Amino acid sequence: EPEVTQTPSHQVTQMGQEVILRCVPISNHLYFYWYRQILGQKVEFLVSFYNNEISEKSEIFDDQFSVERPDGSNFTLKIRSTKLEDSAMYFCASRPGLTEAFFGQGTRLTVV
Amino acid sequence: QKEVEQNSGPLSVPEGAIASLNCTYSDRVSQSFFWYRQYSGKSPELIMSIYSNGDKEDGRFTAQLNKASQYVSLLIRDSQPSDSATYLCAVSIQGAQKLVFGQGTRLTINP
Repeated sequence: EPEVTQTPSHQVTQMGQEVILRCVPISNHLYFYWYRQILGQKVEFLVSFYNNEISEKSEIFDDQFSVERPDGSNFTLKIRSTKLEDSAMYFCASRPGLTEAFFGQGTRLTVV
Repeated sequence: QKEVEQNSGPLSVPEGAIASLNCTYSDRVSQSFFWYRQYSGKSPELIMSIYSNGDKEDGRFTAQLNKASQYVSLLIRDSQPSDSATYLCAVSIQGAQKLVFGQGTRLTINP
């Protein structure tokens, strides 16, 4: 069964460093998302991406964040200068249309 | 007012009983409703989707939607210890692509 895959599963980085989280959405899906979940808190929307551009973003998704779909299969989230408060699980998700969203297994980001 | 509200629990149910999970949402133009299960440290896993008023059944799971009351629920029949998890309600609003999640209800099934 097709699934969303994310790499790495765990990333440790020093404060101020750049990180890139990678995702391969399900083939032929059209909508792509990044969500994050701080430990013990709810799943929060960061950004949606459709037709090769950002379609919606939250207040969390400031200038430190960017997304790319460089080659038609990968979907990446870049955090330019990480802060301690960026430590969280980051989930990528994709949808074939405006129906069910399927999530990857997540990347645990730890900023030290 | 929070967009999607759930009782955080914990909700404790004996094995074999029916677990009832509730969710309310604030935006009247919400169109699509989803229940996800999340085990500790894992990603959300889709259980059910529901788009119109009424009941939708899938195996031991039944989703119920009442748009007039802005209320969606999930019933789990014949609860099993493996159903112990946090259940997330997610809502998609007309004209928007994002899913908005509630804080989740932690469910424990006691053998």
